[in-house]
Amino acid sequence: AQSVSQHNHHVILSEAASLELGCNYSYGGTVNLFWYVQYPGQHLQLLLKYFSGDPLVKGIKGFEAEFIKSKFSFNLRKPSVQWSDTAEYFCAVYAILTGGGNKLTFGTGTQLKVEL
Amino acid sequence: DTEVTQTPKHLVMGMTNKKSLKCEQHMGHRAMYWYKQKAKKPPELMFVYSYEKLSINESVPSRFSPECPNSSLLNLHLHALQPEDSALYLCASRGLAGDYEQFFGPGTRLTVL
Repeated sequence: AQSVSQHNHHVILSEAASLELGCNYSYGGTVNLFWYVQYPGQHLQLLLKYFSGDPLVKGIKGFEAEFIKSKFSFNLRKPSVQWSDTAEYFCAVYAILTGGGNKLTFGTGTQLKVEL
Repeated sequence: DTEVTQTPKHLVMGMTNKKSLKCEQHMGHRAMYWYKQKAKKPPELMFVYSYEKLSINESVPSRFSPECPNSSLLNLHLHALQPEDSALYLCASRGLAGDYEQFFGPGTRLTVL
């Protein structure tokens, strides 16, 4: 079974600091990769996605992520965080299986708190 | 219209009640999903419908009963729930061509007393 690991469970940063959240997955075949954000009391929103092409993808609100196939990684970055980025961040992987039964697997999430 | 809508937003029910959650999308998506999310945890897949047929049931207890009456609607019927079933229930949909992005609804916050 595929798995998704997010190494940082809780991150606390000051405003304007740079952010990098790690995400690693276990499936060696074709994948679609996603980062979702969930602000306090709100629903899941897509930040960015990768399914093919340029491994450096840009998303909303100044976020970007880089797909490194050899490292099975899809780390999320933002050069300068804001207080409004305080939220839970989920990495998710859709492994494209030849036998069907495909599903989206989420990492355990990273709680980001940005302090003023 | 790129929205998935869910009703109700909040639901409080007793352990002997019968209630239903509703999800609707008008994006022409033919795959629809139910997830359960506990606080500070990732969403957990419950059911997948593909072309209105149940394709994945993640060993969900029978007190949860999904239904897909047409390609735009997905229901989750609830009966004899337990307090530990209290959670945010998310619906999502996906087109069956192109990439595999799922569009999530805002969820129904369920409390079982």
